[in-house]
Amino acid sequence: ETGVTQTPRHLVMGMTNKKSLKCEQHLGHNAMYWYKQSAKKPLELMFVYNFKEQTENNSVPSRFSPECPNSSHLFLHLHTLQPEDSALYLCASSPPFGEQYFGPGTRLTVT
Amino acid sequence: QKEVEQNSGPLSVPEGAIASLNCTYSDRGSQSFFWYRQYSGKSPELIMSIYSNGDKEDGRFTAQLNKASQYVSLLIRDSQPSDSATYLCAVNMGEYGNKLVFGAGTILRVKS
Repeated sequence: ETGVTQTPRHLVMGMTNKKSLKCEQHLGHNAMYWYKQSAKKPLELMFVYNFKEQTENNSVPSRFSPECPNSSHLFLHLHTLQPEDSALYLCASSPPFGEQYFGPGTRLTVT
Repeated sequence: QKEVEQNSGPLSVPEGAIASLNCTYSDRGSQSFFWYRQYSGKSPELIMSIYSNGDKEDGRFTAQLNKASQYVSLLIRDSQPSDSATYLCAVNMGEYGNKLVFGAGTILRVKS
């Protein structure tokens, strides 16, 4: 595997379900990010991790819970989501102060 | 609120022409700027980064930055139908150097 990978690529979940999104980067970067991309809206930064420490939470609802066990892996735990949370969730990584590279994304549908 | 503004388009250009994409940003202290290309249903792909005033060329792409005017642009020479995509401008507005704020994107259509 090269670059940034994300699993699953597609996810359909009910509002009472609990699921997790996984991201892995093979670039040796120290920073990882979660973004949300909804239709007709700009990319929204959700969380930033630098060297496994969370340095940014962009006022994200608590039903989204990130986890970064090491510099190569990032998770987004989901529970009791709403239909408006349906979107493309993108993971990215970068070196310090450097260019961000995106994974392919997880297309999430909340029913 | 820190913002990045782009014309949503669509911008239509004939094949072989120069496409000019523009972006303005609100944070005068921003130091790094990026252009991403996003095809429908795909994730953003980095095509250019620029950190200093002036022009930066990479193949058919030229990024231009004017910090005094808070303006960054992307020129695509010899546009091809495969360049048809949404182009996202991103500006780093974080104190730790890694908080990107994205514009809404400009849709580019290159007609053959």
